[in-house]
Amino acid sequence: AQTVTQSQPEMSVQEAETVTLSCTYDTSENNYYLFWYKQPPSRQMILVIRQEAYKQQNATENRFSVNFQKAAKSFSLKISDSQLGDTAMYFCAFWSGTYKYIFGTGTRLKVLA
Amino acid sequence: KAGVTQTPRYLIKTRGQQVTLSCSPISGHRSVSWYQQTPGQGLQFLFEYFSETQRNKGNFPGRFSGRQFSNSRSEMNVSTLELGDSALYLCASSLLDGDSGANVLTFGAGSRLTVL
Repeated sequence: AQTVTQSQPEMSVQEAETVTLSCTYDTSENNYYLFWYKQPPSRQMILVIRQEAYKQQNATENRFSVNFQKAAKSFSLKISDSQLGDTAMYFCAFWSGTYKYIFGTGTRLKVLA
Repeated sequence: KAGVTQTPRYLIKTRGQQVTLSCSPISGHRSVSWYQQTPGQGLQFLFEYFSETQRNKGNFPGRFSGRQFSNSRSEMNVSTLELGDSALYLCASSLLDGDSGANVLTFGAGSRLTVL
């Protein structure tokens, strides 16, 4: 069975600095997708970034980028130039073409002014 | 384009009661999935519906049930509520991305259930 592990329950970062959130997963499948979703306080969960496992190039969306290490089953999220609006719960998620997403337990990120 | 709408947003029930939560997906999205979110547990998958059929179910007791209507709207029901059912219940609708094949979820704001 697939599992997703986020080992950092809480993190903080100073505004304008860079922070990396960790995620590891376990699967025996070769084709799958990985996602980072963001849940701001009292607001809806939204997609931050996605990575197709068959692509070697790391995905990037503006200030957000991932470090995808397929062999190590690692999928970390880097947030550059952190902003106060980045304060949120971040969830790493795995989907392999079945009907079920597997989510990690989340990392609560606080950006400090 | 309207987003995913969940009702009610907040509700308080007592042990033993039952509750029904509703979810209206984004127009055109035929897949609706439900998740239970609790502190420390993250999001736990409840079930997923597509064209009125349950395609997958998580590891929850039979007190948790759901259904989907022909207009893709979905409801979930929890019977004989327990204190441990207090949680944020999230609904998400999805559509396969035509370019990547990824299944991207669009979430509703959630229904926060408190069981006293």
